[in-house]
Amino acid sequence: DAKTTQPNSMESNEEEPVHLPCNHSTISGTDYIHWYRQLPSQGPEYVIHGLTSNVNNRMASLAIAEDRKSSTLILHRATLRDAAVYYCIPHNAGNMLTFGGGTRLMVKP
Amino acid sequence: IAGITQAPTSQILAAGRRMTLRCTQDMRHNAMYWYRQDLGLGLRLIHYSNTAGTTGKGEVPDGYSVSRANTDDFPLTLASAVPSQTSVYFCASSDSPGQDGNQPQHFGDGTRLSIL
Repeated sequence: DAKTTQPNSMESNEEEPVHLPCNHSTISGTDYIHWYRQLPSQGPEYVIHGLTSNVNNRMASLAIAEDRKSSTLILHRATLRDAAVYYCIPHNAGNMLTFGGGTRLMVKP
Repeated sequence: IAGITQAPTSQILAAGRRMTLRCTQDMRHNAMYWYRQDLGLGLRLIHYSNTAGTTGKGEVPDGYSVSRANTDDFPLTLASAVPSQTSVYFCASSDSPGQDGNQPQHFGDGTRLSIL
């Protein structure tokens, strides 16, 4: 499995954009890049995923570097409800999602 | 939309007892999974099922068994609980894994299990 490196924690102000980085320099050509988040006392929640092109959905945007060795999850306007641990997970054929330590996002009012 | 329903939400169990954690999904997903989450270790896959009637072992299967009699239900059984199985257990489902990683997984809210 590809190894990932994410900051342990980040802080943001409410209503401001947040850019959550992830390095995955050992990613294989067939790995999709998935992002999940886990709010306190809840199960992980799927956020977004992509392969090569940047992706947008109602929750967030995913910017993937051209060499695919890094990606950035973008929350366009952070809210207090976005405070969670965010996990970046390279994922290919097979069943297991490998969750690392993730980034704990704190949002200040 | 219920998604994934897990029961019970929490349980305290004496060591040596048998326990079944229930998981039901209403999304008609073919694949289902059981993970455990321990402090500082992230989620680890216990067992999975790609379709009704089939199951497979994950990263940490010892002490656990699963069955998949139909599409919607995927119970996890601890035949004889031990304290090291104290954890938070998450059930998840996805469309068929297929040949690539293009299928996100959807998780329940977990069962907090304490073995004394």
